[in-house]
Amino acid sequence: NAGVTQTPKFRILKIGQSMTLQCTQDMNHNYMYWYRQDPGMGLKLIYYSVGAGITDKGEVPNGYNVSRSTTEDFPLRLELAAPSQTSVYFCASRPGLGSSYEQYFGPGTRLTVT
Amino acid sequence: AQSVTQLDSHVSVSEGTPVLLRCNYSSSYSPSLFWYVQHPNKGLQLLLKYTSAATLVKGINGFEAEFKKSETSFHLTKPSAHMSDAAEYFCVVSTTSGTYKYIFGTGTRLKVLA
Repeated sequence: NAGVTQTPKFRILKIGQSMTLQCTQDMNHNYMYWYRQDPGMGLKLIYYSVGAGITDKGEVPNGYNVSRSTTEDFPLRLELAAPSQTSVYFCASRPGLGSSYEQYFGPGTRLTVT
Repeated sequence: AQSVTQLDSHVSVSEGTPVLLRCNYSSSYSPSLFWYVQHPNKGLQLLLKYTSAATLVKGINGFEAEFKKSETSFHLTKPSAHMSDAAEYFCVVSTTSGTYKYIFGTGTRLKVLA
């Protein structure tokens, strides 16, 4: 049971390039989330999904896209990377139903856009 | 709407002395509350959670937190700090809408002095 895995661990992008951050969980969780963490700040929600085929925007969705074709995978796409997207990105998952469930986090992807 | 405020951005303690990390919340409903720890360059790990059962919650590594509705607080404590406790700590409240999103505090960085 690997939990939540993210790839890559680190990436440097040039302005205007695109990339996909991968996230996979093997716990059969319905809910999945993408966050970004900027220095000195808490986590900000980018997108989330309540199940395969269902996604919705969080607080800071601009410049990102997601898809959820399977329960296990929830990739995050960056189109036309900008320096403002330099951040650490975390994927998380949790079982469905009930606000008492905690989230399980991946190890993060550190992205630098120059 | 829910919100969470971590009252200290940095806390320094000497090894072997007590730890107190403060968190206040705002919620129209009975909230679910969580404390997570993030060690440098790592993902977030759950320390403990409150879900309307016992108001004193025990977590991993000797941490505990007390839910005080009258004070809208959920402070994290540990009787004796260890060097390995040096990390960033996040207080989190779960929303009670059907989407089950989470609101993160801005974090408290704990420094443990030898």
